[in-house]
This record gives sequence, C-alpha cells and structure tokens, in this order.
Amino acid sequence: DIQMTQSPSSLSASVGDRVTITCRASQSISTYLNWYQQKPGKAPNLLIYTASSLQSGVPSRFSGSVSGADFTLTISSLQPEDFATYYCQQTYSSPITFGQGTRLEIK
Amino acid sequence: EVQLVESGGGLVQPGGSQRLSCAASGFTFSIYAMGWVRQAPGKGLDYVAAISGAGGTKYADSVKGRFTIFRDNSKNTVYLQMNSLTAEDTAVYYCAKVRGRGGHDAFDIWGQGTMVTVSS
Repeated sequence: DIQMTQSPSSLSASVGDRVTITCRASQSISTYLNWYQQKPGKAPNLLIYTASSLQSGVPSRFSGSVSGADFTLTISSLQPEDFATYYCQQTYSSPITFGQGTRLEIK
Repeated sequence: EVQLVESGGGLVQPGGSQRLSCAASGFTFSIYAMGWVRQAPGKGLDYVAAISGAGGTKYADSVKGRFTIFRDNSKNTVYLQMNSLTAEDTAVYYCAKVRGRGGHDAFDIWGQGTMVTVSS
C-alpha cells in the first residue's frame, strides 16, 4: 500500500497568516493527490483534486502544488472558518490511502 | 441538489453483521463510482471500499473477505454489507461519490455519516 505522510501533524496560526501543509507519498503517485478539509462532527469537504485543481465552490485562497515528491496545500490568508483538520489522499492506486491529518488551530 | 444519505448504523455485537445503505439523489447515479470511508472516534480517515458504475469492486485489506460493497442502480443506492465485525470496525461510516468517470478521481460529495458501534 502507498503510505501518505503529512506534515506537520498540528499547526497553530493566526487569522491572515499564510499556511502550508505538506504531503509525501511513499512511491510515485503522478498527480493523483487530493486535499480535504474536515470540521468537527462533519463530513470531509473536497478542496483540491489532482494536486492543483480547485474544486468548484472552494475559495481561491486555497491552492495546491507539487514539487518532486512533495505535495503542498497552501492557504494564502487564513480565515476564521479555515480552522479545521486537513487530509491528503492518493487515488493513484488501490487501496486509496489518506494522510494522517493536519490539525490547524487558532494561535 | 446532489445528496447522499446514509442509514443502517447502530450497535452490533462482536462477530455480528450490519448492512449500511446510502441513497443518492441529484445526479445520474449509475455512471459514477461510489465509495465508503470510515473514521474511528478521534482518528483519521480510513478507506473501506469502492464500486464502479459497472459494479467492479475494490477493498481495503482490513475488510477484504468480511465486507461487501454493492449497488442497485434502479434504486440509486449503494450498500455496505459488513460481516464478522470486531471492535476495530467501530467508526462513523461515510458514503462518497467519485468526482469524475476516470479511475483515479477524488470523492466530491459525501454523506453525513452513520455510526457503527461494535460492542457487547
């Protein structure tokens, strides 16, 4: 199975900050990497698919990129509603696997 | 409105069985793959199984041979039959729709989740 490693596991930031979360796969996954946001008690919400495509309805402050084996989710200017847990997911091969999550907290 | 509504969760004894249902609406159900993802209390997301529009299936190793995913396109419903349940299967189970028609796409629509608790 492909292992997905996210960093950091948790992060404290302030409203207006620029934040980056990184995900690395244990083997090549092309660009089949997706990002989700999950708030407590709610289902995950798709933010970014195939590494850098913004899902419809998602604010443009969210972006995704890839450099070598590292995939990055960037939030350009944190808003109060962005404090949540973020997960990466590879859909390159079965079984689909998720990263362990990054909890984004208010500083 | 595109919507997924899960049902069938509850308390089940170890070794028992449970069937989850996910009713879809607002899109052409038969042409999209569907999946199940679970989340144990306080833990991360854990892929369970997926089924293509044509009925091809894939499973996580942890559930292979115990769980079966299937669909009824006439009812716009996908199911997860879970057998030989253990405490490690305790989780919120989410149904999700695959975004596109390719083989590598994300889950773009999720249900609200249904809780399965395996305990005596």
